[in-house]
Amino acid sequence: AQTVTQSQPEMSVQEAETVTLSCTYDTSESDYYLFWYKQPPSRQMILVIRQEAYKQQNATENRFSVNFQKAAKSFSLKISDSQLGDAAMYFCAPHFGNEKLTFGTGTRLTIIP
Amino acid sequence: EPEVTQTPSHQVTQMGQEVILRCVPISNHLYFYWYRQILGQKVEFLVSFYNNEISEKSEIFDDQFSVERPDGSNFTLKIRSTKLEDSAMYFCASSEGRTSYEQYFGPGTRLTVT
Repeated sequence: AQTVTQSQPEMSVQEAETVTLSCTYDTSESDYYLFWYKQPPSRQMILVIRQEAYKQQNATENRFSVNFQKAAKSFSLKISDSQLGDAAMYFCAPHFGNEKLTFGTGTRLTIIP
Repeated sequence: EPEVTQTPSHQVTQMGQEVILRCVPISNHLYFYWYRQILGQKVEFLVSFYNNEISEKSEIFDDQFSVERPDGSNFTLKIRSTKLEDSAMYFCASSEGRTSYEQYFGPGTRLTVT
């Protein structure tokens, strides 16, 4: 079975600081894609960043970057220079080669002014 | 920028009633999805749709659920006889392709069954 684990139900960070959200998964697939989605209080699901499993280089999107460790099946999200607008629920959502995204349970991120 | 839209934003219905949730995917996308999120829980996959047929469905997607693409733009989810446990946020998503492509989500429809 393919599973996704986000072990931090809640995290908080001081504004302008850096925070890392963790995600681990289990799959027997060798080729897959990994995504982080953000869900603010409006509950809209917003794509943050994507990583291809065949790429060794970690993806970066402005203040957001990932630390992808394929052997460890780990896919963490780093947010630099945290801003108040980053406050949201963050979901790790791999795409394991079938049709669906498999969502983790989420991490609620609070930004402290 | 193109976006996925969903209507209505909030639907209240009585147990046993039929509801239809509507979605307009991004126009050049070929794959369409429904997910649901019960309050406080994780997002769960319901069904994917490609080339006018269901390509994958979860165990949640039983005979009470159906999907349809009635015209070139709309994608609907019908629940025939709603139950209290169907109360959730329902998200429509679309993507250009299959696995390697990002899925773009609509704003969701909050379904409340009383």
